[in-house]
Amino acid sequence: QLQLQESGPGLVKPSETLSLTCTVAGGSFSSSYYWGWIRQPPGQGLEWIGSIYYSGNTYYNPSLKSRVTISVDTSKNQFSLKVNSVADSDTAVYYCARVVGYHDNSGHYTYYFDYWGQGTLVTVSS
Amino acid sequence: QSVLTQPPSVSAAPGQKVTISCSGSDSNIGNNYVSWYQQLPGTAPKLLIYDNNKRPSGIPDRFSGSKSGTSATLAITGLQTGDEADYYCGTWDNSLSAGQVFGTGTQVTVL
Repeated sequence: QLQLQESGPGLVKPSETLSLTCTVAGGSFSSSYYWGWIRQPPGQGLEWIGSIYYSGNTYYNPSLKSRVTISVDTSKNQFSLKVNSVADSDTAVYYCARVVGYHDNSGHYTYYFDYWGQGTLVTVSS
Repeated sequence: QSVLTQPPSVSAAPGQKVTISCSGSDSNIGNNYVSWYQQLPGTAPKLLIYDNNKRPSGIPDRFSGSKSGTSATLAITGLQTGDEADYYCGTWDNSLSAGQVFGTGTQVTVL
């Protein structure tokens, strides 16, 4: 059974950089999957942050693209998230997840998150 | 600001059926597959439905999904108290602001 676990500081100061790592266990990391980050502000809905293919290709939410970097370390079965210049609005539970994404024969895209980490709360505060 | 609209809440008695709508556009639901997620209180979301109407292993057939045009629907039959949760739809958006998008979320209450 694939398991994902987020790790990183739970408190970040405004204007600094949020850094999280997701460790993947119990399955193949270097296969044809994307690996993604999703966040959820307290009491609000889900927001996709971005995804990375195991080969390193990245895709970001356009609204966050200027501040976000996702990287992968296949040797450690880990992928990471950095968000620069954080503000109060970046306070959220951050989830990592495995992503299934591909085009079918008609060009329609399927993209979904089949395994999720338990999530980690990151608070931005001085 | 989500591009996929869901009703804020739905409710029904145990054993009854509820349906949750997810309204989008040609750039997302109209041309791509829809997934649904269940988020029980205090837990991570869980995949319920993918590719519009497919269930992952272990998801009971009380949960079903459908899609028509630019809208999708999640149906839950034989409602149980354990189904009380928030439910989100999701899909890929092909517009200039391309990427994965989620619905606004629907809270299901079992009366």
